[in-house]
Amino acid sequence: QSALTQPASVSGSPGQSITISCTGTSSDVGGYNFVSWYQQHPGKAPKLMIYDVSNRPSGVSNRFSGSKSGNTASLTISGLQAEDEADYFCSSYTSSNTLVFGGGTKMTVL
Amino acid sequence: QVQLVESGGGVVQPGRSLRLSCVASGFTFTNYGMHWVRQAPGKGLEWVAVMWSDGTNKYYAGSVKDRFTISRDNSKNTLYLQMNSLRAEDTALYYCARGQGGYYNWFESWGQGTQVTVSS
Repeated sequence: QSALTQPASVSGSPGQSITISCTGTSSDVGGYNFVSWYQQHPGKAPKLMIYDVSNRPSGVSNRFSGSKSGNTASLTISGLQAEDEADYFCSSYTSSNTLVFGGGTKMTVL
Repeated sequence: QVQLVESGGGVVQPGRSLRLSCVASGFTFTNYGMHWVRQAPGKGLEWVAVMWSDGTNKYYAGSVKDRFTISRDNSKNTLYLQMNSLRAEDTALYYCARGQGGYYNWFESWGQGTQVTVSS
């Protein structure tokens, strides 16, 4: 199972919006509404931001939103804040009953 | 509150074995599928294995299949990962994570990880 494809880096200024893409295949992202997104700050465990494509766990800011079209899922962060600077990873359930992560995206707030 | 505490990591020579443990507390362990996820130094997350709550279904990443074995002892609220024939590329921080959702496909709770270093 190949890793999902994410851009290596994205950046934006405070207050702006950015979108991170996550591209897979019909055997993972495109085949199921089971995409999740994680935020990871240096030296910390990952934190769940979005599950099942577009659901936000309790306590996660509504500035974070998720969507999917075909084999590509997206995470949008609106109203960028300095604390959003982190690595972001997508994950998807697959037809083999396994999970696969994306390679990760380093998000920089300018 | 939910707690996951991993242990068992260390430095091991290539070809040798290691067993990781993850002790869970703060929730009904038998209700959840449990996963191992690893992260090599400076790299991204890699899913390793899952064991469903019923204990009968286990699935592995291709990179570890036939070398690693996931198991659980529900009487001890503990998840294990037996790692055999270790390779340098298995060097990583190994996280235990509680799976949620229809296929235990997302993780809201993670441990802090245990470091495994494979080196001669």
